[in-house]
Formats: sequence, structure tokens, C-alpha cells
Amino acid sequence: GAVVSQHPSRVICKSGTSVKIECRSLDFQATTMFWYRQFPKQSLMLMATSNEGSKATYEQGVEKDKFLINHASLTLSTLTVTSAHPEDSSFYICSAPPGTYGYTFGSGTRLTVV
Amino acid sequence: TQLLEQSPQFLSIQEGENLTVYCNSSSVFSSLQWYRQEPGEGPVLLVTVVTGGEVKKLKRLTFQFGDARKDSSLHITAAQPGDTGLYLCAITSGSRLTFGEGTQLTVNP
Repeated sequence: GAVVSQHPSRVICKSGTSVKIECRSLDFQATTMFWYRQFPKQSLMLMATSNEGSKATYEQGVEKDKFLINHASLTLSTLTVTSAHPEDSSFYICSAPPGTYGYTFGSGTRLTVV
Repeated sequence: TQLLEQSPQFLSIQEGENLTVYCNSSSVFSSLQWYRQEPGEGPVLLVTVVTGGEVKKLKRLTFQFGDARKDSSLHITAAQPGDTGLYLCAITSGSRLTFGEGTQLTVNP
């Protein structure tokens, strides 16, 4: 089945620094990638949709300048959390749109900002 | 306003008990999905229901789509500790997947 590889799985960074999270579609091409954020024991909230060759679409209330999303190629989408603060600590997960096997999720990234 | 409301939000039960999780909305959906997620992992699709009144079974899990396609339920029979996890209903709009609030289930041995 389709696989989305997400890295890193865990990252700890200092407040004020930036962190980049990558999602790669390994055996298929993804022109779109969805980025979610999940706080402990809560549901996944859609943050933005990256589109290969065009600007990302952000959900209401999501800061575009803080969460930079780039879809560099048909197999790579990245989320950069800029000037991270402790309140940005969360579980970030990407998902490719449904194919033969439905939505394909990355394994997630646990971000801790100290 | 949450598009999909799930209840209960948290549920802690003993092994062997039965439980039902509900997913409700005021909107009509063409289909609805149920996922299960374990800590530190992505959600895993359990089932997709499409037809109003449809019932699908997956071992000890029974999923039902409401007749009006506005709500759904997940019933687990004789719950086991391995059923512990976050259960999420979700609907699609275009290619976007929107999740419900989630039900955190803990099954104690």
C-alpha cells in the first residue's frame, strides 16, 4: 500500500528556534498533503493543505507566517514551525489524499519546545 | 461549531464490558469513516459507511450509519485492553478529511 514517511518522529527544540518536519510519499506522487496538529487526548485539527506548485491553503486561525508549508515536489511536503514557543508543542501529522488504500497518514512528529 | 460531535469524550471501562461511541452532526453526509489511533501514531482506518442504516461488523466492533446519514455509532462487545485508543469519526469534504472530537477509550484489565 501507499506509504508516507514523516521525519523526525520526535524533536525537542529551544524556544525561538525553527523546526522543519518532512513528509515524503514513498511509492506514489502526492500533489496535495494535509497537515494536522493534535494536542494530548484531543482530535486531529486540520491546519493547512499544501499543494505542489502553488501556495498552501491555511485553515482559519492558523498563522501562515508561523507555520510555513512548502510542497517542493510531487513526493515532498514540509512544515516549518518558525520561532517556536512552548505552546507550539504538539503532535504534528501529515496525510496524503485518498488513493487505493484511503488516506495515508505519516507516523507523526512529537514536537516539544522548551 | 464542531461539525462532528462525539460522545463520550472519555470512557474508562473494565475488560469484558460492552460500550458504544456516538458520532453526531446536523449535516447529512455521503459517507463517514471511523479511525482508531494509538499514542504517537497516525490514525488507522477501521471502516467506511456509505448507506443510510448500514451496519458493518469488524470482529467485535459493530458500526452503524444512521438512516438519515447524520450520525453513526461504534459498538464494541467484550472490550479488551488492546482496544484502548482514541476513536475518531471523520467525514470528507472534497479531499479534505475532518475529524470528530474523538473518544479516548481505556480498557482496564
